[in-house]
Amino acid sequence: DTEVTQTPKHLVMGMTNKKSLKCEQHMGHRAMYWYKQKAKKPPELMFVYSYEKLSINESVPSRFSPECPNSSLLNLHLHALQPEDSALYLCASSQALLGAQAGASNEQFFGPGTRLTVL
Amino acid sequence: QKEVEQDPGPLSVPEGAIVSLNCTYSNSAFQYFMWYRQYSRKGPELLMYTYSSGNKEDGRFTAQVDKSSKYISLFIRDSQPSDSATYLCAMSGSGNTPLVFGKGTRLSVIA
Repeated sequence: DTEVTQTPKHLVMGMTNKKSLKCEQHMGHRAMYWYKQKAKKPPELMFVYSYEKLSINESVPSRFSPECPNSSLLNLHLHALQPEDSALYLCASSQALLGAQAGASNEQFFGPGTRLTVL
Repeated sequence: QKEVEQDPGPLSVPEGAIVSLNCTYSNSAFQYFMWYRQYSRKGPELLMYTYSSGNKEDGRFTAQVDKSSKYISLFIRDSQPSDSATYLCAMSGSGNTPLVFGKGTRLSVIA
């Protein structure tokens, strides 16, 4: 099973709303990622968690707040977003970051994404 | 020069054709190479994963890596209309370096 699930599939929110995106995997992966993808562009890395600890934050604005409550779940909390934040938000997972676990693969498996529209 | 260059297309081929998709890169530290297929408004799907140089085959798909030329390819044999999608190359070095994606090539296979 190489499935990463994401909820919701679609989300429309106002600039004053607070919402959360959820991601789940049951492959025993210990690295999880959030990406943002605009139309006709490749995914852009936002955050990386390794063993439930934030490993990489690609200078993402504080209105995006990630959380990894356990090894299977990854959340992205949204607050005071701007219309330019509208995009497809993708979650991915891999066995581990290279070097974090002997013999682990860094193949990343993506979820279907949450299409976010900020009004 | 961008780290990863990929022709965005669009590339249009007839059904049954052999498709060749390519990426070039500048960072000699890249060792892990991936190809993803992404249908419109869906998440990327991992097609091929290779380490270092060489070929890898999986069904109708063949991935090639030539590290000396810093060039990777994905070949699709007997292309089908269902192969119509955007194909993204991605690569990374050792350590905790993030994946670097190409811009993606949009492929249309015409029945």
